[in-house]
Amino acid sequence: RKEVEQDPGPFNVPEGATVAFNCTYSNSASQSFFWYRQDCRKEPKLLMSVYSSGNEDGRFTAQLNRASQYISLLIRDSKLSDSATYLCVVNKGGATNKLIFGTGTLLAVQP
Amino acid sequence: AAGVIQSPRHLIKEKRETATLKCYPISRHDTVYWYQQGPGQDPQFLISFYEKMQSDKGSIPDRFSAQQFSDYHSELNMSSLELGDSALYFCASSLYVTGGAYNEQFFGPGTRLTVL
Repeated sequence: RKEVEQDPGPFNVPEGATVAFNCTYSNSASQSFFWYRQDCRKEPKLLMSVYSSGNEDGRFTAQLNRASQYISLLIRDSKLSDSATYLCVVNKGGATNKLIFGTGTLLAVQP
Repeated sequence: AAGVIQSPRHLIKEKRETATLKCYPISRHDTVYWYQQGPGQDPQFLISFYEKMQSDKGSIPDRFSAQQFSDYHSELNMSSLELGDSALYFCASSLYVTGGAYNEQFFGPGTRLTVL
């Protein structure tokens, strides 16, 4: 079982739709959480860090539930340019800052 | 500000050859990480360095070694290359924060290694 689990999708949505991605992680000692987006054959780009209180950046809202070990990302008013793979990423912190990636969720926004 | 720089961007090698990948972190970042992403896979952590010392080691083969230099750039050396080493190799950098919380890592464009 992978340490970070995501629904691989694909999620095919029309422009303007709202879409939500979910992610679960198995290591309760995990300290910090992120969403990255990755376009085909490109590097992962940090979309947002996920804080315990939840945080919002424009059309993007991230939530963290430590008790359930669950992270979510909500995208409102989807744009064609949002089409990408969204990676849920966990950092155990402490002596190591290595990132543990989920397999990613593919989003395809249709015109 | 300039992002993480990696060179070369593309590399083609034969089996059993060696390869050296270079990474130049974002200015003032003191920590460098290497990740390997195979086709259709998520990135897997290989190794990291903080202040020129190895800080963590992941699933890095013994045929691979890496180091961080005094200017904080890092090199990943790969020997006896195998077909299975064909992948995207990403370098990421961050500024170390005590406690490790929210050390946001920023990725370079990657080196695409093809082993024939």
